[in-house]
Order: sequence, then C-alpha cells, then structure tokens
Amino acid sequence: AQRVTQPEKLLSVFKGAPVELKCNYSYSGSPELFWYVQYSRQRLQLLLRHISRESIKGFTADLNKGETSFHLKKPFAQEEDSAMYYCALSGPRGRGGSNYKLTFGKGTLLTVNP
Amino acid sequence: NAGVTQTPKFRVLKTGQSMTLLCAQDMNHEYMYWYRQDPGMGLRLIHYSVGEGTTAKGEVPDGYNVSRLKKQNFLLGLESAAPSQTSVYFCASSPGTGRFLNYGYTFGSGTRLTVV
Repeated sequence: AQRVTQPEKLLSVFKGAPVELKCNYSYSGSPELFWYVQYSRQRLQLLLRHISRESIKGFTADLNKGETSFHLKKPFAQEEDSAMYYCALSGPRGRGGSNYKLTFGKGTLLTVNP
Repeated sequence: NAGVTQTPKFRVLKTGQSMTLLCAQDMNHEYMYWYRQDPGMGLRLIHYSVGEGTTAKGEVPDGYNVSRLKKQNFLLGLESAAPSQTSVYFCASSPGTGRFLNYGYTFGSGTRLTVV
C-alpha cells in the first residue's frame, strides 16, 4: 500500500530563516512525488513535481529513493509562505486511473513569523 | 479559463437530507476525483472517474455516490447526510494521456458542507 507521512503538523519559523518540510513515503516501485500548497481558505495548488526538478517560489525538493523522502526546502522563508503544505504520491506513468490517484499526507501548517 | 468549478461553495444540511455537489471542468481532462479534507486527516479520496460513464471507489466511499454522465461533469451525491460528513469537499481533474500526464491535479475551490 502506498503511504505518505508528514511528521510535523505544525512548523513555525522566523522570516529569513531556512525551512524544511519533511515528507517520507512508502511505495513499492517508482512513484511520482508532488508538493501542493494551500493558502488560507483557497484551493490547493501544485507547487512542485519531482520529475521536473524545478524551483518554484524559491522552494526545491529532491527525491531521495534510498531514504524514501521528498523534503521541501527553502533557504530564506517569507511571510507569504505561510500556508498548509501537502506532500502527495502517485503511481508511475501508464494508462489507467489507478496510476493517477494521488495519496496525500496529512499536511504541515507552516507559519512564518515577522 | 475557469479550470475546475464547484457548486455550491457552502451548504448546511440537516441529518438525513440529501444533496448533490457539482464539479465541472473545461480542460477536457479524462480523470476526475472527489476528495474530502478534514483537520488532521489531510485529503482522502472518496470516488474517482477515469472517463465518461465510469466511476470507482476511493479510500472513503461509504455514504457517497457519484456519476460521470458527461466528460466535463462529476457529481457527488449524499443520499442521507450524517454529521460525520461535515467536511470540505474538493474536486480535482487531471489529463489521462499525453505529454501533460504528470502536471498534477487541478483543484476546485471547495465546498464547505456542514451537517447538523
């Protein structure tokens, strides 16, 4: 069974400090990993996909298959980064809806204090 | 350029009442999903659809039914609402095939449902 674990429900940092939101996963095979962000009372938005190796809003995430982790990092947090962050996993590419069902972690609420 | 639209945005139901939540997408996506979001539980998949006329159960399907009569619409029904179904419901869609496979989901803005 696939599972995503975000060990921290809450994370509070000061503006300008580095931030790391942890995500560990369990999956037999090669999953696709994502980070979604949800600002206060808004819809979820895709932040990062591991496959694209991109940096969005200063955030990066590296897939570590050995540690089965996909931690989200930013060197200097900003107040506007305060939001709920969800790590999510799906099966690898291929036909069929089951490979595209996203399994979400329970989320980490990040608060960046001034 | 609407993306995924959910109606209604808010609703209060009495226990035992029924209602239907509508999700509409204009991106020609094959796959559509219904999730519920609860504090401390993250998002849990209720039902999903891989194409017009198809539906399948997700992680927490009990008490809900769905239909996908048209490709662009995915309806979520509560036949007899219970207080345990108080939640925020999110609809999402994603491409089925093609080079946009891994662009993730597009989410609607959510429906906040309270069952009293």
